[in-house]
This record gives sequence, structure tokens and C-alpha cells, in this order.
Amino acid sequence: EIVLTQSPTTIAASPGEKVTITCRASSSVSYMYWYQQKSGASPKLWIYDTSKLASGVPNRFSGSGSGTSYSLTINTMETEDAATYYCQQWSSTPPWTFGGGTKLELK
Amino acid sequence: QVRLKESGPRLVQPSQTLSVTCTVSGFSVTSYHVSWVRQPPGKGLEWVGAIWKGGSTDYNSALKSRLSISRDTSKNQVFLKMNSLQTDDTGTYYCAKHSRSGYYFDYWGQGVMVTVSS
Repeated sequence: EIVLTQSPTTIAASPGEKVTITCRASSSVSYMYWYQQKSGASPKLWIYDTSKLASGVPNRFSGSGSGTSYSLTINTMETEDAATYYCQQWSSTPPWTFGGGTKLELK
Repeated sequence: QVRLKESGPRLVQPSQTLSVTCTVSGFSVTSYHVSWVRQPPGKGLEWVGAIWKGGSTDYNSALKSRLSISRDTSKNQVFLKMNSLQTDDTGTYYCAKHSRSGYYFDYWGQGVMVTVSS
């Protein structure tokens, strides 16, 4: 089973600040997926195939990476971006696994 | 419009069986895989199991002995059954539609919060 480790666990950012969240996989994966979850709501697909933005996701978000290291970046933090972000991988056989989550707070 | 909605009991006694139904619309469960994902209060996401579009199933190895996922294609519903519930099974249970590739989850239900307590 591939284990995903996200860092940091929690981060606080001011509006306009650049934010980067990292996801490291215990073995190489082909793609990474990211979800945004706000308090009391279900997760939403945010980034797929490592770098493609899901429908409605602002273009201040971007995804990148390869092999065992992936990242989600917010170019300029906005108040609505405060949420928890999870990475997820699929490696051709179950299980699908998630990272532990990164809580992004507004400073 | 794709929708998934979970329904089931909010309170289950320890050692009893949890039964949750996922009713989907806007797609067919014979065309896309559906997974169950759970989330303990204040914690992260855990994949529970999946039913493939062809009807076969896969389960989280840590839960496999207690799990059963099935479906009713005529009603476009997917069912989760988990027996011998313990307090650490408390959490929100989501059903999620897989993407066409199957690699990720593109739509999620609202979830059902299940508390295991006597």
C-alpha cells in the first residue's frame, strides 16, 4: 500500500500570500489528485491528473510534481481558500489512499 | 446532473451492523465505479471499499472481514454493510463516484454521520 504524507499539517496564510502544500508518496505514483474540504461539507475534487484544475477551481491554484513528490500551490491566498486539502493516489490496484490532510487557515 | 445521497441510521450500538444506502442519479452504477470513504470526527479520509461498474468489489484490507458492498442496478443504489461495529467506526460515511478512468473521485455525496454508542 502506498502511504501519502502531507506537509505541513497546518498552515496559516494572509490574503495575497503564496501557499504551497506538499504530498510525498512512499513509492512512485503516476498522478496525484487533490480535494478541498470545508468544515461540515463533503470533499470536492480540486486538482486531477497532477495539474488539471477541476471545474470551477480558480486559476490561482496549480498542481505539479512527479514520482514521489507532488505539490498544490495557491499563487495568492484568498479568504475563501481556507479549508483542509487532501492528496490522493491510485496505483493500478486498490487501495486508493489519501494523505492525512493539510489545514489551511487565514492569518 | 450527478448526485449521490447517503441514507442510514445515525446511531448504531456496539457490535451491531451498519447499513447505509447510496442512491445515485445522473449516472448509472453500471457505467462508473462507486466507492465508500469514511472520516472519523476531526480526522482524515479513509477509503473503505468499492464496487466496480462490472459488479465486483474491493475492500480496505483492514476492514475486509467486516464489510460487504453490493448494489441494485434497477434502483441505481449501492449498499454498504459493516458488522461488529466498534466506537472507532464512528464517523461520516460518504459514497463517491469514480472518474471515467477510475483513478479518482469526481463527485461525492453529502455523507451520513454515524455514531457507534450504547
